[in-house]
Amino acid sequence: NAGVTQTPKFRILKIGQSMTLQCTQDMNHNYMYWYRQDPGMGLKLIYYSVGAGITDKGEVPNGYNVSRSTTEDFPLRLELAAPSQTSVYFCASSRVPGTADNEQFFGPGTRLTVL
Amino acid sequence: QQQVKQSPQSLIVQKGGISIINCAYENTAFDYFPWYQQFPGKGPALLIAIRPDVSEKKEGRFTISFNKSAKQFSLHIMDSQPGDSATYFCAASRGQAGTALIFGKGTTLSVSS
Repeated sequence: NAGVTQTPKFRILKIGQSMTLQCTQDMNHNYMYWYRQDPGMGLKLIYYSVGAGITDKGEVPNGYNVSRSTTEDFPLRLELAAPSQTSVYFCASSRVPGTADNEQFFGPGTRLTVL
Repeated sequence: QQQVKQSPQSLIVQKGGISIINCAYENTAFDYFPWYQQFPGKGPALLIAIRPDVSEKKEGRFTISFNKSAKQFSLHIMDSQPGDSATYFCAASRGQAGTALIFGKGTTLSVSS
């Protein structure tokens, strides 16, 4: 199993450009998440999904959109990039509900710079 | 309002020493408290986790101590090694499995040889 994969690894955007960060998991997890990590600030939840077709906002959703058409994929869309969106983005997934723990498996991250 | 407060922000420990990182939470509905370890350029990975029905959990050199009445939990790394140098995040969540985690701001640990 590859686990959680993210593409691209790095990206530089100009202000106002748009892009999609890709996330795929091969563990058949229903739950998927997008976090952003800023220096000294920990990880903050952007959006999450409890299954295909179902998404919800996290703590910092402004400026982002998501979709979940399949169990495996959970892309994150930035429509009008702003310097405040410069960050490292992590995708994560976790097991179906009812299990004993809540381990989230993280991808390797996408480092995004908006200039 | 920060729901999970973590300290210290950074920590330097001698090889063989004990590293201690503390977290405090506010929401008494939290019922799952994991610690994640992150190496530079990598995503966080689960290190150890505890539920509030126990006061301590040990896995190898890593121990979580949990104090429900004080709403605090801590990570102890015994016999710290240079390979333990990483950023550590405490987190908390409530409800069923799959609920989003609330993370602390992280502690950067450096173990000097």
